[in-house]
Amino acid sequence: DVVMTQSPLSLPVTLGQPASISCKSSQSLVHSDGNTYLNWFQQRPGQSPRRLIYKVSNRDSGVPDRFSGSGSGTDFTLKISRVEAEDVGVYYCMQATHWPPIMFGQGTRLEIK
Amino acid sequence: QVQLVESGGGLVKPGGSLRLSCAASGFTFSDYYMSWIRQAPGKGLEWVSYISSSGSTIYYADSVKGRFTISRDNAKNSLYLQMNSLRDEDTAVYYCARGRWRGVPFDSWGQGTLVTVSS
Repeated sequence: DVVMTQSPLSLPVTLGQPASISCKSSQSLVHSDGNTYLNWFQQRPGQSPRRLIYKVSNRDSGVPDRFSGSGSGTDFTLKISRVEAEDVGVYYCMQATHWPPIMFGQGTRLEIK
Repeated sequence: QVQLVESGGGLVKPGGSLRLSCAASGFTFSDYYMSWIRQAPGKGLEWVSYISSSGSTIYYADSVKGRFTISRDNAKNSLYLQMNSLRDEDTAVYYCARGRWRGVPFDSWGQGTLVTVSS
């Protein structure tokens, strides 16, 4: 199984400052079809998860452009250019290249400093 | 608008059974594959099971294989999870989520239903 490792697990950020979350996979997430199926999810307190980014860098509809995804192979990053109060929650990366099983990272808890 | 509404959760004793349902609306259910994902209290997300749009392909996480059965009824726009031989570690909020294209799943999630396994 592919193991997804996120860091940091806790991320205190000052409002208006940038934030960055790393996600590393135990093997390359490049599929034989040429796509890289690495997705990012946000879970606000008390809410269901919501997909933010699909295939490394594509923002879902309605996701603010302060969120961006990047990376390749085994190393990926989710960046928030300027953190807002509504960004508080837990962020998960998830790979869907080598499955089953579909694997999530452990989650990174973003809080306001 | 897209809606996924889970139901059927509750308190059950170890070794017991429960059947979860997920009612879909606002989209063509038969065009989408579906999954169950769970989240133990205070923990992260764990994928549980997948079923293709037609129901012909099914996968399970090793942790539930042989105990859980996923199914769907496209005529009723519904997804199910039959859970047998429940264990304490199955205690979690169970979400249903959909996907359409390969590798880009879970663009919509339900609100979740809580399953508590305890004596």
